Formats: sequence, C-alpha cells, structure tokens
Amino acid sequence: EAGVVQSPRYKIIEKKQPVAFWCNPISGHNTLYWYLQNLGQGPELLIRYENEEAVDDSQLPKDRFSAERLKGVDSTLKIQPAELGDSAVYLCASSGGDEQYFGPGTRLTVT
Amino acid sequence: GNSVTQMEGPVTLSEEAFLTINCTYTATGYPSLFWYVQYPGEGLQLLLKATKADDKGSNKGFEATYRKETTSFHLEKGSVQVSDSAVYFCALSGYTGTASKLTFGTGTRLQVTL
Repeated sequence: EAGVVQSPRYKIIEKKQPVAFWCNPISGHNTLYWYLQNLGQGPELLIRYENEEAVDDSQLPKDRFSAERLKGVDSTLKIQPAELGDSAVYLCASSGGDEQYFGPGTRLTVT
Repeated sequence: GNSVTQMEGPVTLSEEAFLTINCTYTATGYPSLFWYVQYPGEGLQLLLKATKADDKGSNKGFEATYRKETTSFHLEKGSVQVSDSAVYFCALSGYTGTASKLTFGTGTRLQVTL
C-alpha cells in the first residue's frame, strides 16, 4: 500500500513569491492534515480536513496561507507571498482512525 | 490546553547502551499517547502507542508505558544500535470529532556511536 505522497520534496524561492505544496493521502483516509515543522521543533497543526471540509484551520495564517481539498482526496497548501520566516518543512498526514501517517514533507527555503 | 514536554537532546550513547527518553504530558481527559521517530530526510513514522493507563506500547525493541499517576510516557530500549540514530517525538491525541488532533513535543535527537 502506498504511503502519503508529497511533492515537491524541496523548494527554494525568493521572498514575496508564491509557492504551492501537494499531498496525496493514503487511499481511503478521510482525514488529512497539514503540519508546519520548524527546525528543532515538533510539528504544529496548520489545518485539518474531514473529506473536503476544513474542520480545524485555527492555526492557519489566513492572510498568506490557503489550502484546498476540492474532491476530498488530494490537497494543496499555498503560500502567497512567502516570507523568510516561512522556511520550514511542511508535512502532510492522513488518518482513517486513531493513527496518523505522515508523508516525507516538503522542505521550503525562502531566500 | 494539551502539552508535551520531552527531555532535551542530543542524547549520545554507545551501541548496546540502555536508552531512556523522558516524556511528560498535560491533557484533559484520557488521551492516547504516541512515540514517533524521524530518520534523517524522512517523515515521521509511528513507533508505538498506548491508548489507556498502564498500557505498554512496544515495537522494534522500544517500549513505553502509559503512567497516568505521573502523567508520563518514557521511551526505553535495552540495547541501542547505530541504526536507531534519529529524532524521537512524544505526542498525545485529543479527540475532536472523529479524528485525533496530535500535540507533539519538541523532539529528542538520539546519536548512537560504535
């Protein structure tokens, strides 16, 4: 069974540019999460989807971040415009129950 | 709110040494507790879990026991290997609706040398 797929794995952009990350969860998993992981820290939840509905986006900085999961399967997280402080690893996870399964993450560097 | 506190790293051990990584938590209700491991360049992998008090989770020689009286979930391994070098995250889940919301500690880096 394929795991959570994320792309790209690495992205380098200049500040003020837009960037998008893509995630395909494990087949059949209705719940999808986006996390932010800063260097030396644990992941912090940005947004959680139940199917296509965002049920917890309280930690998402909505002035520059947006996310969508239009058909309740794969999801895209966007930052526009990016700032230097957005440099981090963006993790996607999915769940069909109590356990969450993580993708490899996208490492973003903003210069 | 929920929180997880882990011992700071790095923890440096020689191969075959005994490992303990401390984890304590603050939570309302009765959360499930997890240990995740992150190898260099990879995503987090679930190592073990425990869903109620006195449960012991175990996997790949690692163990952790859910201690409600001390609100702890310390990770142990009797004999570490170089391949165990990674970052270990303690986490707890607080249910919101039908899915769990994980709160992570800051992670503890383990370095095992020959």
